Amino acid sequence: GAVVSQHPSRVICKSGTSVKIECRSLDFQATTMFWYRQFPKQSLMLMATSNEGSKATYEQGVEKDKFLINHASLTLSTLTVTSAHPEDSSFYICSARDYRGNQPQHFGDGTRLSIL
Amino acid sequence: QKEVEQDPGPLSVPEGAIVSLNCTYSNSAFQYFMWYRQYSRKGPELLMYTYSSGNKEDGRFTAQVDKSSKYISLFIRDSQPSDSATYLCAMSLTGNQFYFGTGTSLTVIP
Repeated sequence: GAVVSQHPSRVICKSGTSVKIECRSLDFQATTMFWYRQFPKQSLMLMATSNEGSKATYEQGVEKDKFLINHASLTLSTLTVTSAHPEDSSFYICSARDYRGNQPQHFGDGTRLSIL
Repeated sequence: QKEVEQDPGPLSVPEGAIVSLNCTYSNSAFQYFMWYRQYSRKGPELLMYTYSSGNKEDGRFTAQVDKSSKYISLFIRDSQPSDSATYLCAMSLTGNQFYFGTGTSLTVIP
């Protein structure tokens, strides 16, 4: 089955640090990747849609300069949380879709970010 | 009105029971329907993926889509403690934008 690898799985760092999270599709090519944020016992909140070779599309209320997204290849998208603060602490999950049409999203295992 | 409605539960059942999980939706144009299982502190795992109406079976899992009622279901037969998780429904018009339910928390009691 389709596999999406997300790294790192856990990050603990000081306030003001920038954190980069990688999302890779291991056995398929993904023209579109998605970044979600999930709070405890709540559903997924879409932050942005990442398209290979073009700028990401951000959802309303998500700061583009705070959450930098790069999708430089068909198998890799990165999310950088810049100058992270405690309120950015959350569970971040990426997903990817096979470039061939009509495919579902496959999710990574998430990154738990804790800002001290 | 939300695009997708899902009862958050929690739902508790004894081991071996048949579990029924449901979602309703408002947009009759949805064509792609998915069920994901999410364990605590993990990403969602795709369980079932169906296009348009009808049933799909995979082992102990059966997904049903009733487009006339705008209602989808996931049935789990012979439920096991390892099925304890949060189940998310999702749907899409074209496969480019996805709408998720809030998830139903299921506990299967040994």
